[in-house]
Amino acid sequence: KAGVTQTPRYLIKTRGQQVTLSCSPISGHRSVSWYQQTPGQGLQFLFEYFSETQRNKGNFPGRFSGRQFSNSRSEMNVSTLELGDSALYLCASSLVAGGITDTQYFGPGTRLTVL
Amino acid sequence: SQQGEEDPQALSIQEGENATMNCSYKTSINNLQWYRQNSGRGLVHLILIRSNEREKHSGRLRVTLDTSKKSSSLLITASRAADTASYFCATDPRPGRSLQAGNMLTFGGGTRLMVKP
Repeated sequence: KAGVTQTPRYLIKTRGQQVTLSCSPISGHRSVSWYQQTPGQGLQFLFEYFSETQRNKGNFPGRFSGRQFSNSRSEMNVSTLELGDSALYLCASSLVAGGITDTQYFGPGTRLTVL
Repeated sequence: SQQGEEDPQALSIQEGENATMNCSYKTSINNLQWYRQNSGRGLVHLILIRSNEREKHSGRLRVTLDTSKKSSSLLITASRAADTASYFCATDPRPGRSLQAGNMLTFGGGTRLMVKP
């Protein structure tokens, strides 16, 4: 089975712009989660989607949003980019859809640089 | 805020030696997971230990869990240069069995392991 794929792998934007990142989960996985990784804050949970619905959301401003399509592919969008949004954005998919977090399978990440 | 905190933050050992990393967390958990990350890449799942388990093995990895102390340790035996990476523990921050379904993890700050050949 192919792993989790993320596109693009690298992205450079300027402050004030918006960006869309894409994630394709492992075939059959319906849960997709997004994480932000920065040197200062470490790995932080952004949000999780399942069956096109956002089920969980981390503590991020409304500039961060996401969606999931019927084929489970997910996108996240960051509007009005700030310098502090520079980070590695990781997507993870999971097979289990219950109330207890099970194994997460991560993609390679998208490295976003905001200038 | 981070649920888990790893100790040490950095560890440097020689190939063949054992590496031990510790993780402490704050709230009750259903399971605790360990992940590895090679420089700037995605995370790779290593092992999941449930709250009713005390020890789990996978190849050269051994994980222990002490729920009374809210701590876990990851032992890598006979380390290799290829084990050089950052290691993170992660927990679901929702205490007990949440009525709200979904997957979410809170990660610790990680331990940077360097294995010298």
